[in-house]
Amino acid sequence: SAVISQKPSRDICQRGTSLTIQCQVDSQVTMMFWYRQQPGQSLTLIATANQGSEATYESGFVIDKFPISRPNLTFSTLTVSNLSPEDSSIYLCSVEEMPGTEKLFFGSGTQLSVL
Amino acid sequence: SQQGEEDPQALSIQEGENATMNCSYKTSINNLQWYRQNSGRGLVHLILIRSNEREKHSGRLRVTLDTSKKSSSLLITASRAADTASYFCATGDDKIIFGKGTRLHILP
Repeated sequence: SAVISQKPSRDICQRGTSLTIQCQVDSQVTMMFWYRQQPGQSLTLIATANQGSEATYESGFVIDKFPISRPNLTFSTLTVSNLSPEDSSIYLCSVEEMPGTEKLFFGSGTQLSVL
Repeated sequence: SQQGEEDPQALSIQEGENATMNCSYKTSINNLQWYRQNSGRGLVHLILIRSNEREKHSGRLRVTLDTSKKSSSLLITASRAADTASYFCATGDDKIIFGKGTRLHILP
């Protein structure tokens, strides 16, 4: 099973600033997934990050607000830009247990609070 | 958009009792998964059931799938305090979509 290290675990940010979240996996994976979980809600997929190509964003999420980097097969970052209180959420990265298994492993999440 | 809808939204039971959560979905699926989330952190995969399976067991967990009704249930037997968590069903192949979840609270 993959081990996923996600940083930071939590942060408190001022309105208008940005936060970059890092996700490190202990093995090479093709796709990495970024989810948002708003308070008391379920997970919503933000984008799928593939190494060597631009991320694929879901409806309602745009690259200017959520730029993603995927420089290699073990690492990805998600930036939440121009923060507003509505961005206060838990952000989670995940990977497939093995390609094609559809089972996901998750990082421990980043709790973001925007003042 | 979310594919799964869990029922109930919240459930409180006494320790030792069985807990049943239900999930309904809208479109045809190849498989359905259940995940657990403790204290709003990372999710843990519990079990995956394929569309050609009707029931699957894993320890104290029992999952059923009825594709004709587009529904699944998760049964946790002999509940423990450590089972207190949120439980989500999820469907999808290339991208996994999660339901709204059931918050389970085990009372001592």
